[in-house]
Formats: sequence, structure tokens, C-alpha cells
Amino acid sequence: AQTVTQSQPEMSVQEAETVTLSCTYDTSESDYYLFWYKQPPSRQMILVIRQEAYKQQNATENRFSVNFQKAAKSFSLKISDSQLGDAAMYFCAYTGRQGGSEKLVFGKGMKLTVNP
Amino acid sequence: DSGVTQTPKHLITATGQRVTLRCSPRSGDLSVYWYQQSLDQGLQFLIQYYNGEERAKGNILERFSAQQFPDLHSELNLSSLELGDSALYFCASSSSWGFETQYFGPGTRLLVL
Repeated sequence: AQTVTQSQPEMSVQEAETVTLSCTYDTSESDYYLFWYKQPPSRQMILVIRQEAYKQQNATENRFSVNFQKAAKSFSLKISDSQLGDAAMYFCAYTGRQGGSEKLVFGKGMKLTVNP
Repeated sequence: DSGVTQTPKHLITATGQRVTLRCSPRSGDLSVYWYQQSLDQGLQFLIQYYNGEERAKGNILERFSAQQFPDLHSELNLSSLELGDSALYFCASSSSWGFETQYFGPGTRLLVL
């Protein structure tokens, strides 16, 4: 079964600094997508960024970028110029075609604190 | 705003009762997914529907059932509720059944007393 591991339960960063959130996954599939979702105190799940496994180029969305290492099965999220609004739980998620479903498999999440 | 709506936002009920959670997907989306978020289990996939048909089941209890209607809205029915069913239930939708991004609703917070 596919698994997603976020080994750091909590991290903190100073406002305007850069922080990297780590994620590893395990799969035997060759075709899959990876995602980072953000869950602020409102509990809404918000898509931050997605990466297609077949693409070698790392995805970027404004201040958010990923470091996708397919061979190492690693998918880290870098947040540049951290803002107070970035404080949230961050979940790494995987989707393949296991069992004919595109369900998301989530990591346990990581709480990011942004200090002013 | 993701475009996915869920009602009600909060639900408080007693053990043994039955509740129905409702989800309206984004306009044009054919796939609906239900997830449960609890402190001990994290975020877990429950069930997926595509264009009215069940496509996949995850860790969904037999006491739980769901369906997707012709207008594509979906309902998750939880019966014989137990204290451990207290959780945040999310609905997500995507445009089709491929590798499409899933957009989440605001969730329904269920408290079973």
C-alpha cells in the first residue's frame, strides 16, 4: 500500500525567512501525483502545489516550490519569504491509481508556526 | 472559496443516532470524495463516486453509506453513531476520475455525545 511520511510534527520560522517541509512516500507505481495541502485554523483544506511524477521540472507557485526527488521518493515544500498567514498545518498527499481510485493518501501533517 | 459546499457546518448528536451530511461539488465536477479527519486516524479516504456510480471504497464502516444523486450532489449517511465517530468530515470534488486536483469543501464537524 502507498504510504506518506511527514517525520517532523512541528516547525517554526521567522517572518520573511525560508523554511522547508519534508515528505517521503512509498509506492510501486510509476504514474502518480503529489500534493501539498494547507489547513489553517479555519480547518479548510487548501491546495498549495501539485507535482506530476512524470515531470522532471519542480513545480513552483509564487513563494512555494517543491524539490521532487523521484528516485529517493522525496517531495519537500519550500516556503520563501514566510508570512504570518502561512501558519497552518501542512499535509503532503499522494494519489495514484491503486484500486482504480484516485483517492488521496495523506501524511500525518506538520504544524508550521510563523514568528513575527 | 473552493466552490465545494457542505452542510451542515456543525452537528451535535447522541450515540445511536443517524445523521446525513450533504455535499455539492464544484460546478461541472463529476467526482466526489469523502474523507474523515480525526485526531487518532488523521485524514482517511472513505468513498468515491463518479457521475452517480460508486468508484472506490476506503476505510468506510458498514454503518456508513453514501450516494451521489443525478444532480451530482452527494450525501454521507452515518448511523448507529458512536463516540469515536466524532470527526471532521470533508467532501472533495474533481472534474473527472483521472489525476485531477481535488478541491475540498469546508467540512462538517460532527460531535457525538
